[in-house]
Amino acid sequence: AQKITQTQPGMFVQEKEAVTLDCTYDTSDQSYGLFWYKQPSSGEMIFLIYQGSYDEQNATEGRYSLNFQKARKSANLVISASQLGDSAMYFCAMRETSGTYKYIFGTGTRLKVLA
Amino acid sequence: NAGVTQTPKFRILKIGQSMTLQCAQDMNHNYMYWYRQDPGMGLKLIYYSVGAGITDKGEVPNGYNVSRSTTEDFPLRLELAAPSQTSVYFCASSTGGMNTEAFFGQGTRLTVV
Repeated sequence: AQKITQTQPGMFVQEKEAVTLDCTYDTSDQSYGLFWYKQPSSGEMIFLIYQGSYDEQNATEGRYSLNFQKARKSANLVISASQLGDSAMYFCAMRETSGTYKYIFGTGTRLKVLA
Repeated sequence: NAGVTQTPKFRILKIGQSMTLQCAQDMNHNYMYWYRQDPGMGLKLIYYSVGAGITDKGEVPNGYNVSRSTTEDFPLRLELAAPSQTSVYFCASSTGGMNTEAFFGQGTRLTVV
């Protein structure tokens, strides 16, 4: 069965520094998508970045990049030049492509950016 | 752009009461999902639908029911509410394909007392 593991319940980072949030996944599918979402204290789910299993290059979206290591089954989120507004809960998710197209989420990492 | 709309935003239920959480999307998405998020936890899939008339159970379906009579609407029914159903409920929708993100509603915060 597919599974997402986020082993860091909480992280601190100094403002303007970079931070890496870990995500490992388990799947037997060859074709899958990996996603990162941000959930600020207001509660909404904000899509940040996507990586496909066949993508050879790591995805980037502004200050967000995804460090994709397929052989290790990891999809870590890197946030560069952290800002106070980056303080939030971050979720890694995987989408199955075996017919149901369900999204499976990890337990999340709470990031606190320090001034 | 409305996107995914959930109502109500907040609700307090007494044990044993029933209610329906409404979810509507205006993006013509075939795939719709209901998740629950317990405090400090990730999202767990309750039910999902791959199109009108087709629904299936997710990871934690007990105590809930769904229907999908139209592409736009995917209501979640809670029968005989229990304190264990106190949670934040998110509805989401998407198109097919592995490269499309899920679009989420604002969530419904439900407390069962």
